[in-house]
Amino acid sequence: DIQMTQSPSAMSASVGDRVTITCRASQGISNSLAWFQQRPGKVPKRLIYASSSLQNGVPPRFSGSASGTEFTLTISSLQPEDFATYYCLQHKSYPFTFGPGTKVDIK
Amino acid sequence: EVQLVESGGGLVQPGGSLRLSCAASGFTFSNNWMSWVRQAPGKGLEWVANIKRDGGEKYYVDSVKGRFTISRDNAKNSLDLQMNSLRVEDTAVYYCATDGGLSYWGQGTLVTVSS
Repeated sequence: DIQMTQSPSAMSASVGDRVTITCRASQGISNSLAWFQQRPGKVPKRLIYASSSLQNGVPPRFSGSASGTEFTLTISSLQPEDFATYYCLQHKSYPFTFGPGTKVDIK
Repeated sequence: EVQLVESGGGLVQPGGSLRLSCAASGFTFSNNWMSWVRQAPGKGLEWVANIKRDGGEKYYVDSVKGRFTISRDNAKNSLDLQMNSLRVEDTAVYYCATDGGLSYWGQGTLVTVSS
């Protein structure tokens, strides 16, 4: 199985901060990587697909990038509604696997 | 607008069975792979299973193989998950989601396995 690790596991940040979350795959997954946001008590929402494509309707302050087996989600200027948990997902090979999540809370 | 509505969750004893359903609308159901994802209380997301457009291929996470069966009815735009031999550790909110990349999600249905 492909293991997905995320760092950091949690972070505190302020409105306006630039936030970077990293996801690493245990083996190559090409660009079969998506990012999800889950606000407390809410349904997960896809932000990024194919490692760097922005889902329709998602603000452009969110962006994704890839370098080998390392993937990055960047929020250019954190907004109050962005405080949430973020997950990566690899869907290159079965079983699909999520990262353990990164919780972003208010500093 | 894509809509996915899960149903069928509830309380069941260990060893019991439940059948979850997901009613889909707002997109061409038969053109999409469909998935089930679950989230145990206070935990992260876990992909459970998915099924090809025509139902001809099905994949499962190891922990549910032989116990859960995913199926679909393209004429009814519905997705099912038959869950047998349920364990306490299957307790979770179960979501259906579209395609392999999980573009859209339903609101989820809670399955509680407890004696």
